[in-house]
Amino acid sequence: QKEVEQNSGPLSVPEGAIASLNCTYSDRGSQSFFWYRQYSGKSPELIMSIYSNGDKEDGRFTAQLNKASQYVSLLIRDSQPSDSATYLCAVTIGGAQKLVFGQGTRLTINP
Amino acid sequence: DGGITQSPKYLFRKEGQNVTLSCEQNLNHDAMYWYRQDPGQGLRLIYYSQIVNDFQKGDIAEGYSVSREKKESFPLTVTSAQKNPTAFYLCASSIPGREGYEQYFGPGTRLTVT
Repeated sequence: QKEVEQNSGPLSVPEGAIASLNCTYSDRGSQSFFWYRQYSGKSPELIMSIYSNGDKEDGRFTAQLNKASQYVSLLIRDSQPSDSATYLCAVTIGGAQKLVFGQGTRLTINP
Repeated sequence: DGGITQSPKYLFRKEGQNVTLSCEQNLNHDAMYWYRQDPGQGLRLIYYSQIVNDFQKGDIAEGYSVSREKKESFPLTVTSAQKNPTAFYLCASSIPGREGYEQYFGPGTRLTVT
């Protein structure tokens, strides 16, 4: 089992709809969870961090964490074509300063 | 401007040559990291350093070496022992926040070895 798993996609969502991205992780002791957005050919950009169970909202983005189910998700409301990118889930495993990344989910927003 | 710089953006080398990738940050971050990304894949940790003059191996350290002589700088050397060096190399840095360590990335160096 991979330490951090994401559906590689591609996930196709119509403009204006809600995009839902999911991630599961293996280490029950993980404390910190992050979502990065990566445009093609560019480096990852941190868009959300979450540390407690529940929802965390920032503009059109909502991160959801369920530690009991070892599951973290990212919702993007009112999806825009500019949201088309690969979204990487990252989780601290084995130490607060080390991140393990999922393989990423490629999201396409269709106008 | 505060940030993380990596140079060069593109690098081409012949097989059998060592090559050093530069990473500099002026964010006053204590920790720095090197990752490798292959096409369609996530990031894999090569080395990381939490303080000056100290660093630890990540998951794929074989064929790589690093140094951390200054807080601002964390260069990565890709040696000829690295079997598949062609990849996108990303440097990151972090500082403890209220709840955890958020890592921020430089623009990356794309290395091609032929």
